[in-house]
Amino acid sequence: AQSVTQLDSHVSVSEGTPVLLRCNYSSSYSPSLFWYVQHPNKGLQLLLKYTSAATLVKGINGFEAEFKKSETSFHLTKPSAHMSDAAEYFCVVGNTGGFKTIFGAGTRLFVKA
Amino acid sequence: SQTIHQWPATLVQPVGSPLSLECTVEGTSNPNLYWYRQAAGRGLQLLFYSVGIGQISSEVPQNLSASRPQDRQFILSSKKLLLSDSGFYLCAWSPSGVRMANYGYTFGSGTRLTVV
Repeated sequence: AQSVTQLDSHVSVSEGTPVLLRCNYSSSYSPSLFWYVQHPNKGLQLLLKYTSAATLVKGINGFEAEFKKSETSFHLTKPSAHMSDAAEYFCVVGNTGGFKTIFGAGTRLFVKA
Repeated sequence: SQTIHQWPATLVQPVGSPLSLECTVEGTSNPNLYWYRQAAGRGLQLLFYSVGIGQISSEVPQNLSASRPQDRQFILSSKKLLLSDSGFYLCAWSPSGVRMANYGYTFGSGTRLTVV
């Protein structure tokens, strides 16, 4: 069985400070992991993905995530937050054999000026 | 390049009325297609997915149905809307022959449905 837990429903940071959005997963298979971003009333956009290659994955807009098998985590980070980063972020787990995926409940990121 | 179109962007419908939301994909053949619903304050719920024309898998028994009359067209329907059908509906696609696990989804811009 697979599951994904986003540990924070809301995260608030000041502009220019680091961002950390936490995600833990559970999977019986070798997982594939994704982060998506959703701005208000918009569709979801793929930020980055891990598919068993390098454990440190770089994505768009300066985001990156590190796959840690021992901790079953896939946390999303960014060195310096920008106002335009304010959005909702979803961590997603998919197994390599299937079409279906599990979405986390989402973390809303607030960026203060 | 591939694009996905979803319409309408917003919709207000009375309880008991029918629904039809359409999604089309351009620039690819035989995509895997998905309908998700995002209710207020909740995560994404997979409603239907399709791996080919006429092939629909339902994830959640409900008041909705899906059809795929053409290769790159995916339609979400209801005969009689309920208040609980309100939400943000998202269509997505992934390439055929490639498991979602290796590619990820491309989402449409969504439809905000309010049932009154």
